[in-house]
Amino acid sequence: QQQVKQSPQSLIVQKGGISIINCAYENTAFDYFPWYQQFPGKGPALLIAIRPDVSEKKEGRFTISFNKSAKQFSLHIMDSQPGDSATYFCAASWTGANNLFFGTGTRLTVIP
Amino acid sequence: DVKVTQSSRYLVKRTGEKVFLECVQDMDHENMFWYRQDPGLGLRLIYFSYDVKMKEKGDIPEGYSVSREKKERFSLILESASTNQTSMYLCASSLGLPFEQYFGPGTRLTVT
Repeated sequence: QQQVKQSPQSLIVQKGGISIINCAYENTAFDYFPWYQQFPGKGPALLIAIRPDVSEKKEGRFTISFNKSAKQFSLHIMDSQPGDSATYFCAASWTGANNLFFGTGTRLTVIP
Repeated sequence: DVKVTQSSRYLVKRTGEKVFLECVQDMDHENMFWYRQDPGLGLRLIYFSYDVKMKEKGDIPEGYSVSREKKERFSLILESASTNQTSMYLCASSLGLPFEQYFGPGTRLTVT
């Protein structure tokens, strides 16, 4: 049973456009929501993370939006660049846990 | 700079062979993880370890075992490899949530 549902599975965006990836969860105990970025041939790496006490967190061109009542969170990539082409995973867990629950991943392709 | 290394990038084994995948981290992290990554299924946790000689099953432990004799080393063992274990295997380590998980580059295992 997938604890975190991620969509879309793949996404193609023009350079300069906005990329949006969505995730949903059911477990209300989750209080930590990271996003990981994976380039081909590499392991995933932490991109940005959010706690549910804020509705939005921004780091450069990357923004996480969080909707606690809807149990949804999303990653927005502004001014998408070809170098952003990668697979993105959302994840969730609770403080004190040892492991993360990952979404199924979104393969983003940014075309010039 | 945290480094997680995996013993092989590519591995080809025959059905029925015993397979060892080794992972080493250099940051004195308590927690270590083994995931498998398959297209459309994301990252699925096989086993994790929160201390030397301690282990816990993840979501898909069947057909796998693990060993952690030293803090920095976590091994994944396929007792009798099968073709449905052909996959990308990722090792990760962390201090624990909410700290990030650091991933190795992965081992692409093909079982023929």
